[in-house]
Amino acid sequence: DADVTQTPRNRITKTGKRIMLECSQTKGHDRMYWYRQDPGLGLRLIYYSFDVKDINKGEISDGYSVSRQAQAKFSLSLESAIPNQTALYFCATSDLWDRGDEQFFGPGTRLTVL
Amino acid sequence: AQSVAQPEDQVNVAEGNPLTVKCTYSVSGNPYLFWYVQYPNRGLQFLLKYITGDNLVKGSYGFEAEFNKSQTSFHLKKPSALVSDSALYFCAVRDFIRGGYNKLIFGAGTRLAVHP
Repeated sequence: DADVTQTPRNRITKTGKRIMLECSQTKGHDRMYWYRQDPGLGLRLIYYSFDVKDINKGEISDGYSVSRQAQAKFSLSLESAIPNQTALYFCATSDLWDRGDEQFFGPGTRLTVL
Repeated sequence: AQSVAQPEDQVNVAEGNPLTVKCTYSVSGNPYLFWYVQYPNRGLQFLLKYITGDNLVKGSYGFEAEFNKSQTSFHLKKPSALVSDSALYFCAVRDFIRGGYNKLIFGAGTRLAVHP
């Protein structure tokens, strides 16, 4: 969905490096999410934010941190990357007023930690 | 806790044949259920959702899903498969966090391969 963009699209880094993945959206949604996708495990929620001042840990937040710089921007950081953080990372948004809670996804960032 | 299960890692079907991708759920209360599709090198795209009402939900690209409360299932179906339907399909259920706030819990995904 072009309304949700992620940078970079691909990144290779080394163990111990600090990495930031960025997400921007033009949908005007308040709610934003970070997921990681691993083969056979589906998508797992890392962090979610219901507005700029409301940030919450998901099921696998250890080793990650986030920053909600504005309604449209939500960044995910790996303070000291490790190989088992190699995965496909997705940002998503949803509308506060959508009863069905449909989420809109960015194209993903493929991260490889060597 | 809410959960969904996709019992098949992969489904193979010939082009033109009907397809079914299975999903079962476990929820407390009324379920909000979703299907998403992921094409190669793309993010997830919404296909359809069930909130309430008719048990047969119609979605994008000719897909539909049947909600079955007694069997706690929400299987994705299409009458005639296309090669272009080959992708990774995810079932998801809404999980209540606190008043007005929810999140989605995803299944492990099922890879659909449609052969010419």
